[in-house]
Amino acid sequence: AQTVTQSQPEMSVQEAETVTLSCTYDTSESNYYLFWYKQPPSRQMILVIRQEAYKQQNATENRFSVNFQKAAKSFSLKISDSQLGDTAMYFCAFMKGWGAQKLVFGQGTRLTINP
Amino acid sequence: AAGVIQSPRHLIKEKRETATLKCYPIPRHDTVYWYQQGPGQDPQFLISFYEKMQSDKGSIPDRFSAQQFSDYHSELNMSSLELGDSALYFCASSLSEGNTEAFFGQGTRLTVV
Repeated sequence: AQTVTQSQPEMSVQEAETVTLSCTYDTSESNYYLFWYKQPPSRQMILVIRQEAYKQQNATENRFSVNFQKAAKSFSLKISDSQLGDTAMYFCAFMKGWGAQKLVFGQGTRLTINP
Repeated sequence: AAGVIQSPRHLIKEKRETATLKCYPIPRHDTVYWYQQGPGQDPQFLISFYEKMQSDKGSIPDRFSAQQFSDYHSELNMSSLELGDSALYFCASSLSEGNTEAFFGQGTRLTVV
């Protein structure tokens, strides 16, 4: 079974700073996807970024980027120039294999951006 | 663009009652997932359907059942409700091939009193 671990229950930074959220996972699968989801106070689950395990290049989406270390089974999220709207719960998630599969989530990190 | 639609958005039930949650996936998505998110917890996978057949099963209580209909909408039926069933229930949908990103609905908040 796959497990996803987020070791930072809460983080807080000032607006415009850069913050990195950590995630580690455990799997014996060779093909898989990793995701970061954002859950703001509205509770909507919003996909922030995804990474295919077979790709060596780290994914980037505007201010969001990941550091994917496959051998270490580490998948951290970096948010640059943080904004007040980034305040949310962030979940790291794992999906195995090809095709449609369930997501396995980490425990989440509550990120607060302070003005 | 059309998103995943869940209804109702909020539901209050008493213990031992029955609840039915509905999910309308994004058009042409062939896979539907149900997740349960308790207070302060991460979403937990309950069950999924591919082309109207159950494709995977997680930690879904025996009191719960679900199905996917011919129009691809799905319903989660919950009987003999317990206080511990109070949670946010998410439905998500995706394609089984190509970009398999799961798109989430806004969730149904179930409160059992």
